[in-house]
Amino acid sequence: SQTIHQWPATLVQPVGSPLSLECTVEGTSNPNLYWYRQAAGRGLQLLFYSVGIGQISSEVPQNLSASRPQDRQFILSSKKLLLSDSGFYLCAWSRGTPNEQYFGPGTRLTVT
Amino acid sequence: KNEVEQSPQNLTAQEGEFITINCSYSVGISALHWLQQHPGGGIVSLFMLSSGKKKHGRLIATINIQEKHSSLHITASHPRDSAVYICAVKGAGNQFYFGTGTSLTVIP
Repeated sequence: SQTIHQWPATLVQPVGSPLSLECTVEGTSNPNLYWYRQAAGRGLQLLFYSVGIGQISSEVPQNLSASRPQDRQFILSSKKLLLSDSGFYLCAWSRGTPNEQYFGPGTRLTVT
Repeated sequence: KNEVEQSPQNLTAQEGEFITINCSYSVGISALHWLQQHPGGGIVSLFMLSSGKKKHGRLIATINIQEKHSSLHITASHPRDSAVYICAVKGAGNQFYFGTGTSLTVIP
């Protein structure tokens, strides 16, 4: 069966510090991978998606970047965090048609 | 205006009540998803549908493509159904649009 992991589960970082969130998927190959953010009191926002290694599409211009160094690994990064980067970050995967998405447990990031 | 609108934003029900959550969207879609977000933040996909109706246990989801509208129904609601329910639509390519969610509280 397929599983998706995210870490860390929670993170408190000062403004201006770097960020690296990791997501890995097990039990499938060549998944589509997604990074979402849910700010406090707001809906989900798609940040990045990837259809293959090294292929990243950005939905919203911002202070964040994503990379996919391996087929089942998706990394969300920032060089310098802003207060507005605080939120709940979710990784998800899907494969083929009909493209149903499966979500990871999420990382709650607080920038202080 | 958001591409996906949900109503109501908040809903409180007594245990056993029949619950309906509505979702309207304004973009062309290939599929619509209903998601459930638990208090801890974890998200579970409940349904993905592109036409008609799907049923899973006490949950029923319907979609009317012509009217660009979907409903999620919960029969015989239970306190463990308390969660935020999110409607999401998949547009062209990999574009997803999300509603802001409906917060449901079921009181024993």
